[in-house]
Amino acid sequence: DTEVTQTPKHLVMGMTNKKSLKCEQHMGHRAMYWYKQKAKKPPELMFVYSYEKLSINESVPSRFSPECPNSSLLNLHLHALQPEDSALYLCASSQVGGGTSYEQYFGPGTRLTVT
Amino acid sequence: KQEVTQIPAALSVPEGENLVLNCSFTDSAIYNLQWFRQDPGKGLTSLLLIQSSQREQTSGRLNASLDKSSGRSTLYIAASQPGDSATYLCAVRRGSTLGRLYFGRGTQLTVWP
Repeated sequence: DTEVTQTPKHLVMGMTNKKSLKCEQHMGHRAMYWYKQKAKKPPELMFVYSYEKLSINESVPSRFSPECPNSSLLNLHLHALQPEDSALYLCASSQVGGGTSYEQYFGPGTRLTVT
Repeated sequence: KQEVTQIPAALSVPEGENLVLNCSFTDSAIYNLQWFRQDPGKGLTSLLLIQSSQREQTSGRLNASLDKSSGRSTLYIAASQPGDSATYLCAVRRGSTLGRLYFGRGTQLTVWP
């Protein structure tokens, strides 16, 4: 099973709402990633978790709050977003440790629209 | 900083043609290079991964080569089909620890019947 799942597929939220995006993988990967992708642009890294600890934060605004409750789950909590935050949010996972390929597997994404 | 460039930005070809997509990167100190396919509004599907010590990888009609010293990779698609229409992204990984992926802007491929 090389599947990364993401819910919801689509999300529309107002600027005062609080919502969460969810990501799940059962490949035993211990690194999980959040990317943001705007139309016609490549994905941009937001956060990386390794062994459930935040390892990389690409200077993302605090209105985005990641959480990794266990090795299979990754959440992205959203609060007070701006319309320019509308994008496709992608989750990915990979192995960690010596001798691994570090191939990243991506989920289908959540299409977020902020009104 | 690693810069990844993909040429051409867009390509439109008739079915059956053999294609070459190009990817170049500025820093040759990479750990691996990954080619992805993305359909409109969808996630990324990993096509091929080449480790820095490898020269090429093959999967079905796809063949990817890597010349690390010159900072180049090519994705060769044989006998293209309309179902190959998608955006193809190249990404390089810098470190052997939690190195991030640096993506190119992609090549948008259209294969018409």
